[in-house]
Amino acid sequence: DAMVIQNPRYQVTQFGKPVTLSCSQTLNHNVMYWYQQKSSQAPKLLFHYYDKDFNNEADTPDNFQSRRPNTSFCFLDIRSPGLGDAAMYLCATSRDLAGGNTDTQYFGPGTRLTVL
Amino acid sequence: DQQVKQNSPSLSVQEGRISILNCDYTNSMFDYFLWYKKYPAEGPTFLISISSIKDKNEDGRFTVFLNKSAKHLSLHIVPSQPGDSAVYFCAASARTSYDKVIFGPGTSLSVIP
Repeated sequence: DAMVIQNPRYQVTQFGKPVTLSCSQTLNHNVMYWYQQKSSQAPKLLFHYYDKDFNNEADTPDNFQSRRPNTSFCFLDIRSPGLGDAAMYLCATSRDLAGGNTDTQYFGPGTRLTVL
Repeated sequence: DQQVKQNSPSLSVQEGRISILNCDYTNSMFDYFLWYKKYPAEGPTFLISISSIKDKNEDGRFTVFLNKSAKHLSLHIVPSQPGDSAVYFCAASARTSYDKVIFGPGTSLSVIP
């Protein structure tokens, strides 16, 4: 089945210790997104890739970086996690449509990050 | 500033009855609206959408109504089933300006057998 996979599902890190979350997709979608979701809040877009073009949201802290080495994989790097970065991190993909719009987003199951 | 609001954090409905989930938005540029459903330990999955040129879209037991003048949309599930118990996210985007999708905080629906 075509899908979006996130590893690991649960990640525990220490305050200030860099951590990388990964996302892979078999849908061959050219757009990939990273969202942060805290408890009972809306998923918040951190950034997205349109093919190789990186698009950062204005309010995404510099502490969050991303890499997309190929169409299938996308990584979220948190350089120095703080206690406030504990959250669910969701990866999503979509395909582009005519006119520069994107189609429905398909989400992975998320990685729950705990910062000690 | 919350551009997409779901003012009811939770809702309980008896099996077989209608579930109505509400969503309000503030950005008049939004022209495309979606509902996503999320089970525990899974990512959100697309449920149904509606373009601003319509006021109703139906898919089986799910119907979305859009009231542009009130900047309000609602998702109706009828009849409700226990398997519908999940968190429902309302989302909106301004497709004509290729803007990102903005999600609401979600409403947790419990369908009681």
